Amino acid sequence: QVQLVESGGGFINPGGSLRLSCAASGFTFSGYYMSWIRQAPGRGLEWLSYISTTGSYTNYADSVKGRLTISRDNAKNSLYLQFNSLRVDDTAVYYCARDTSTGWHFDSWGQGTLVTVSA
Amino acid sequence: QSAMTQPASVSGSPGQSITISCTGTSSDVGTYNPVSWYQQHPGKAPKLIIFDVTKRPSGISDRFSGSMSGNTASLTISGLQAEDEADYYCCSYVGRGSRVFGGGTKLTVL
Repeated sequence: QVQLVESGGGFINPGGSLRLSCAASGFTFSGYYMSWIRQAPGRGLEWLSYISTTGSYTNYADSVKGRLTISRDNAKNSLYLQFNSLRVDDTAVYYCARDTSTGWHFDSWGQGTLVTVSA
Repeated sequence: QSAMTQPASVSGSPGQSITISCTGTSSDVGTYNPVSWYQQHPGKAPKLIIFDVTKRPSGISDRFSGSMSGNTASLTISGLQAEDEADYYCCSYVGRGSRVFGGGTKLTVL
């Protein structure tokens, strides 16, 4: 079955950087778009970024544009998120999700990884 | 891109039907058909329950249905059950791979 497992979360100081990873299994990873979505404590979902199957196309939410880089390694069945200049309000659970280009919906989600930005 | 508007909360008794609205603009819900809905129980990852406005993924109960009129998408849950108590989010495609979520609606089963 489809499995997505995020890692790389933890505590980080404001202004710092981190790299989140998402290990995919149970499906042909290279055949799917992928997205990152976050949820601040007690708040709603926020879409952050998507990447096409080969990585040729990406896009980002305006709120994080310039601080975020999404990438993938199809040989390793892995998705990544490089996040720079972290702020306190970036504290959230970060989810990777399997994306679909045919309907632009997220049909499988990981369990999420918590990022806490605090001094 | 602003979040789409959902009611903060709705409630219903077991067996009843409820509808959650998701109001956008002509730039999102009003233009693009790919509206999806997600159910999230506390401490859990969201789960896809409706895609392409009206379609249900395999395994999702037919008690869940979606519709759209103008700039407003709607999720209807019929025959409410205690297990339906959760947060619900709509999501719309807004072009160039970007998506926007609604603010979320907390469903309480009385």
